[in-house]
Amino acid sequence: DAKTTQPPSMDCAEGRAANLPCNHSTISGNEYVYWYRQIHSQGPQYIIHGLKNNETNEMASLIITEDRKSSTLILPHATLRDTAVYYCIVRVDDEYSGGSNYKLTFGKGTLLTVNP
Amino acid sequence: GAVVSQHPSWVICKSGTSVKIECRSLDFQATTMFWYRQFPKQSLMLMATSNEGSKATYEQGVEKDKFLINHASLTLSTLTVTSAHPEDSSFYICSARGLAGRSYEQYFGPGTRLTVT
Repeated sequence: DAKTTQPPSMDCAEGRAANLPCNHSTISGNEYVYWYRQIHSQGPQYIIHGLKNNETNEMASLIITEDRKSSTLILPHATLRDTAVYYCIVRVDDEYSGGSNYKLTFGKGTLLTVNP
Repeated sequence: GAVVSQHPSWVICKSGTSVKIECRSLDFQATTMFWYRQFPKQSLMLMATSNEGSKATYEQGVEKDKFLINHASLTLSTLTVTSAHPEDSSFYICSARGLAGRSYEQYFGPGTRLTVT
């Protein structure tokens, strides 16, 4: 299984961009990178995912390096409500499932604290 | 995103009793449901995976006779903690996976806080 490495914690000033790095140097060519976050005492919330190209949605942007060994989640204008643990996950698919059978294995994530 | 609910959101039970937690996918059909457990200041640990109408597949170290999982329909899965002990106190989170557009995506419930006294 591809493993991910994230810094245990980061701080960010409110209104500034938060850039959360993730290393996944053993990722395979068909494995997706997913980002979830978990606000204290809640279930994880999906943020974004990508394979090769950079992705953007209403919550964040995902920048994946060309060699796919690392990625960065960008929250463009962090707010206090973005304080959470952010998990970078490599999705490991069952080879013959056509994307319908996979596991999401959570690491320790990065605790992002947005300060006023 | 899709909505997954859990009930109850918190429960306190006495040691030796059983407690059932429900997980529902509210606006999509979940072909697969997952149960995770999270101890304080730790990450989520996958306990088991279940497909509708099939027996659950448990992760290594998870006692299948203690944590009974039923996935009776495409929108409902239940986790029953039998003969609960204080060490079973934890945050239990379910997750449901279904077809969203052209891909299968996974959504998480809000979690259930179990305290065994």
